[in-house]
Amino acid sequence: EPEVTQTPSHQVTQMGQEVILRCVPISNHLYFYWYRQILGQKVEFLVSFYNNEISEKSEIFDDQFSVERPDGSNFTLKIRSTKLEDSAMYFCASSEAGQGDSYEQYFGPGTRLTVT
Amino acid sequence: EDKVVQSPLSLVVHEGDTVTLNCSYEVTNFRSLLWYKQEKKAPTFLFMLTSSGIEKKSGRLSSILDKKELFSILNITATQTGDSAIYLCAVGSGGSNYKLTFGKGTLLTVNP
Repeated sequence: EPEVTQTPSHQVTQMGQEVILRCVPISNHLYFYWYRQILGQKVEFLVSFYNNEISEKSEIFDDQFSVERPDGSNFTLKIRSTKLEDSAMYFCASSEAGQGDSYEQYFGPGTRLTVT
Repeated sequence: EDKVVQSPLSLVVHEGDTVTLNCSYEVTNFRSLLWYKQEKKAPTFLFMLTSSGIEKKSGRLSSILDKKELFSILNITATQTGDSAIYLCAVGSGGSNYKLTFGKGTLLTVNP
């Protein structure tokens, strides 16, 4: 069964460093998402991406965040200058469609980011 | 601001019991309601509901949506220890841009 994969599973970084979290969405999916879950809190929407551009972003997704589809399979989330409060589990998700239809989003296993 | 509220926040039952998990919502431009099961890491998709009153079933799990009263329930019959997990309710909303808003989840513990 096709699945969303994410690497690394755990990333430890120092405050102020840049990190790139990587995701490989399900191959025939067209819409890609990043969510985060701070320990003990809700899963929160960060950004959606379609046709090589951001469709929507939340207020959490400020200028330190960026997303990219560098090739035909990968989807990345970059955090430019990490802060302690960026420590969270970051989930990538993908869906077949997003506009005009409702399609389920499938989630990857997550990357646990720890900022020290 | 979109809001999804789940209850109870936690529940402890014995194997064989039947449980009902609740999810109410207030969102702009509702499109769908989804249930996920979260064990160790990734939320695993269970159901997506878009129409009122139509029950979706998968084995011992079933779910129904009431778009007039703005809530959904997830039922699990004959619970097993393997059902122990956090059950997440998420509402899909947005016009041209679709996103999920999650509730805090219900932590279900099934004891042998």
